[in-house]
Amino acid sequence: SQTIHQWPATLVQPVGSPLSLECTVEGTSNPNLYWYRQAAGRGLQLLFYSVGIGQISSEVPQNLSASRPQDRQFILSSKKLLLSDSGFYLCAWTRGSGELFFGEGSRLTVL
Amino acid sequence: SQQGEEDPQALSIQEGENATMNCSYKTSINNLQWYRQNSGRGLVHLILIRSNEREKHSGRLRVTLDTSKKSSSLLITASRAADTASYFCATELIQGAQKLVFGQGTRLTINP
Repeated sequence: SQTIHQWPATLVQPVGSPLSLECTVEGTSNPNLYWYRQAAGRGLQLLFYSVGIGQISSEVPQNLSASRPQDRQFILSSKKLLLSDSGFYLCAWTRGSGELFFGEGSRLTVL
Repeated sequence: SQQGEEDPQALSIQEGENATMNCSYKTSINNLQWYRQNSGRGLVHLILIRSNEREKHSGRLRVTLDTSKKSSSLLITASRAADTASYFCATELIQGAQKLVFGQGTRLTINP
């Protein structure tokens, strides 16, 4: 069966520090991968998606970047965090047209 | 603005009652999906309805889709306290390259 792992689960970082959130998928190959951000009590904002290794599409200009160094690994990064980067970050995967499978999320607090 | 807009933003009902949530969207879609999120957790897929379908059932869930009105509804029958969660609709756009666009969600509270 397929599983998705996302870490760390919680993170408290100072403004200006770097960020790296990791997501890996097991049990499938060539998934489409997604990073979403959710502000408190709000819906999900699509940040990045990838349909293959090294293929990243950015949805919203921002202080973040994403990389896909391996087929089932998706990384969200920042060189210098802003206060506005705080939120709940969700990684998800799908094999195509159909349901998304989400990780448990990473809660980032920037102080 | 968001592609999907849920209504109401919050809903509180008694256990055993039915809960209805609505979703409206703006552009043509391949499919519309409903997800559930318990507080502080990831989202869980509930049901998918394709653009050529009008109604779909899964257990206590009933979803309708009206493409002429660009709207969908999610009905949860015989609600239980465990149904307390946030519910989101998500649309896969025809030109969306397999991207899902989520609404703001409905916060459902089932009172025992």
